[in-house]
Amino acid sequence: EAGVAQSPRYKIIEKRQSVAFWCNPISGHATLYWYQQILGQGPKLLIQFQNNGVVDDSQLPKDRFSAERLKGVDSTLKIQPAKLEDSAVYLCASRVGPQAFFGQGTRLTVV
Amino acid sequence: GEDVEQSLFLSVREGDSSVINCTYTDSSSTYLYWYKQEPGAGLQLLTYIFSNMDMKQDQRLTVLLNKKDKHLSLRIADTQTGDSAIYFCAAQRGNQFYFGTGTSLTVIP
Repeated sequence: EAGVAQSPRYKIIEKRQSVAFWCNPISGHATLYWYQQILGQGPKLLIQFQNNGVVDDSQLPKDRFSAERLKGVDSTLKIQPAKLEDSAVYLCASRVGPQAFFGQGTRLTVV
Repeated sequence: GEDVEQSLFLSVREGDSSVINCTYTDSSSTYLYWYKQEPGAGLQLLTYIFSNMDMKQDQRLTVLLNKKDKHLSLRIADTQTGDSAIYFCAAQRGNQFYFGTGTSLTVIP
């Protein structure tokens, strides 16, 4: 079974630029999450989708972050404009039952 | 929300057992998890336990859950150098997962 695919693996941008991350979850997984993991910390939830609907985006900084899930499958997370404190690893996960599976993440560096 | 706490570092000798501990605050957590993260990689699900269980064993891994004390532990038997990584405890409540800050395990050859 293929895992959760994310791209790109690494991204370096200047502050105030925009960036987008892509996630392809495991086939058939209705629940999809985006997490932000700052160096030295555990992952923190940004947004949760159930199919193509948003379940929880209470911790998403909506003034600069946006996310969508097209047709209930792939998802994109966008940051515009980026700030230095957005430097982190952005992890996508999909879930079936009690098990959540994570992608390798996109490491974003904002300079 | 939910607070999940772990000690930051653990160092063991190859061949010994490792025990990584975690505490959580929300007694309504339904599942508790252990994930492993190697450098530059995502989180790998190692094992999980339902909240009405006390123990779960899976090959070299043993999970113990003390629901009264809200304490979870992961024991790795015969620890190998390949086990060196950061281990995250997570608690599920509703549809959300709450993660600890991770325990960095170093295995000394």
